[in-house]
Order: sequence, then structure tokens, then C-alpha cells
Amino acid sequence: DAKTTQPTSMDCAEGRAANLPCNHSTISGNEYVYWYRQIHSQGPQYIIHGLKNNETNEMASLIITEDRKSSTLILPHATLRDTAVYYCIVRANRDDKIIFGKGTRLHILP
Amino acid sequence: GAVVSQHPSWVICKSGTSVKIECRSLDFQATTMFWYRQFPKQSLMLMATSNEGSKATYEQGVEKDKFLINHASLTLSTLTVTSAHPEDSSFYICSASPHDRGRSYGYTFGSGTRLTVV
Repeated sequence: DAKTTQPTSMDCAEGRAANLPCNHSTISGNEYVYWYRQIHSQGPQYIIHGLKNNETNEMASLIITEDRKSSTLILPHATLRDTAVYYCIVRANRDDKIIFGKGTRLHILP
Repeated sequence: GAVVSQHPSWVICKSGTSVKIECRSLDFQATTMFWYRQFPKQSLMLMATSNEGSKATYEQGVEKDKFLINHASLTLSTLTVTSAHPEDSSFYICSASPHDRGRSYGYTFGSGTRLTVV
């Protein structure tokens, strides 16, 4: 079973920041938090990952709480192309299989 | 870098025939690849872990004789759906991670293969 829980769906207005929460209260000390997204009929796309510190790249920011039991993915200026299912995943070792939960279906509204 | 190519992107086959799907890591070597299946409006379900040079590890409930996996090289894994039936129609996706990278790198996914069995 997936080790994370996410809201089923969210709406966000185009141009606004999309904040996607993820709960991972049973995360272990050596497990990273990964975020992927899947646009309709495509393979999942890697977005960002982190261990303890907040992370930012050209796609998004990842905010991890101090106790590491939850995190938030932030898309700073959402566009219609960000409409997708977003998956939050925790995993430890390099070869750990990735188990997907149900993810959050993000709708960007024009 | 870290590109995974999947072929074909879509295929239609008749019931009872077999279909082979290829997953290639184009610019890196992968000792481990993963195969997923996804039904409409559902999440990805892990089917099996493909191990280079050894037998694949199948998830519970996945028939190993029906879904044959071969990982003969560090850049290629194949999934063969044998004696396909309409209920095998699905979106099949593979993933891999560079062999020489540390654990902090994510997996790259192929673009998927949509299989329709008629």
C-alpha cells in the first residue's frame, strides 16, 4: 500500500499558486519524498524530491514540515498545462520499487 | 539525460495472440526496471520488477506465465503479454533509474504503451 495520503482532487485558478498537500506520517528517517505528475495518457514525469530541507527547481517547490510527516508541492504560477494527476511518494533505497497511491487530480481553471 | 523509450506507443491485437512491449534506457544503464499497468481513471499498479540477468519479481496477483519479462541487457527490458484477452487491454508503462546514480535520483518513466485486445 502507498505510504501517503493526498486529497482526491483540487482546483486552482490559472496564474495562481497551486499548493498540493501530502501526508506521510509514517515516513522513515532514510526515506525521501518524491513528487511525480501524470498528464493524461502519458507516463509519469518527475517533478522534485527532498529529504528534510525545502527544495526548489524550475518546475516547483517542495516544503517539508520539520517533523517530516507532511509536505506541500507548490506550483508557483499554474498554467493549463499543469492539469494532471500529482503523486506524492516516499521511498528509501535506490532500487526501491515505487508504489503509487491515488494521487491528486489538479484542475487548472482558466 | 535519463531517457526511457517505450515501444510501441500503441498496439491493437486479436484475442489469443501475444504482444511484446520494449522498454529501453537510451542514455544510461539500468540493472532494474519496473513494469506498471494502468486502467482508465485508476492509478498505476506495479506488475513486476525486471532484473538484468535474472528472473523478474512479480507482484502478488500478477500471472508470471501470462506476463513474460525478459531483461537481457542493461538497456533493454521486454514485457510479453501472452494469449492476450480483452481484459488485458490497458496502458502499460515501464520505468528505470540510472545504475550509477545514488538513491536521491528519481525514476524515469516511459511514455507508455496502450494495448487494445479485440
